Amino acid sequence: EAGVAQSPRYKIIEKRQSVAFWCNPISGHATLYWYQQILGQGPKLLIQFQNNGVVDDSQLPKDRFSAERLKGVDSTLKIQPAKLEDSAVYLCASSSLPGQGKQAQHFGDGTRLSIL
Amino acid sequence: GENVEQHPSTLSVQEGDSAVIKCTYSDSASNYFPWYKQELGKGPQLIIDIRSNVGEKKDQRIAVTLNKTAKHFSLHITETQPEDSAVYFCAASIPTRKSTFGDGTTLTVKP
Repeated sequence: EAGVAQSPRYKIIEKRQSVAFWCNPISGHATLYWYQQILGQGPKLLIQFQNNGVVDDSQLPKDRFSAERLKGVDSTLKIQPAKLEDSAVYLCASSSLPGQGKQAQHFGDGTRLSIL
Repeated sequence: GENVEQHPSTLSVQEGDSAVIKCTYSDSASNYFPWYKQELGKGPQLIIDIRSNVGEKKDQRIAVTLNKTAKHFSLHITETQPEDSAVYFCAASIPTRKSTFGDGTTLTVKP
């Protein structure tokens, strides 16, 4: 099966600019996650969707970050305006519904964001 | 919320030796514990997972053990090979809620 697709792979912007990331999950996966991974740390969940509804966005900095998952498939994550501390790798993952006993998350290769 | 601690942060072994990485978690409601391997420039890849109703699981050279009472779980890699060199992450997951990741262990296998 095709894996989780993310684009772009790399992005360099100046602080206060805006940026958007795109994710296409594995076909049929109802749950989609966006993580922020700062160098030397584990992934930190930003937002979790189940179909096109938000399950958890408690750690999403809502004053600058937004995400949507239209039609319960593809998703975009946006940062506006970017700050220096947003430099990180943004990972997208998907999984089947937890109730189906298949909680394993499948990750894309991420977008590496550098803020100048 | 859930807190996951992972040790050691770096681990260096000789090829053929065993490697052990340990994690502790805080929320007794966690019931799913995956381990991921992340290579440079790649996303984390699931290598093995265990559920709270199982104490041990093995897949070839990789095994995971879980002690629910003590709230800790461990990854064991036997007969290590240079291609096992990577960053390994543990995670703890609560049903229908988010997974919390440890901060990773950088494993180096010296030929």
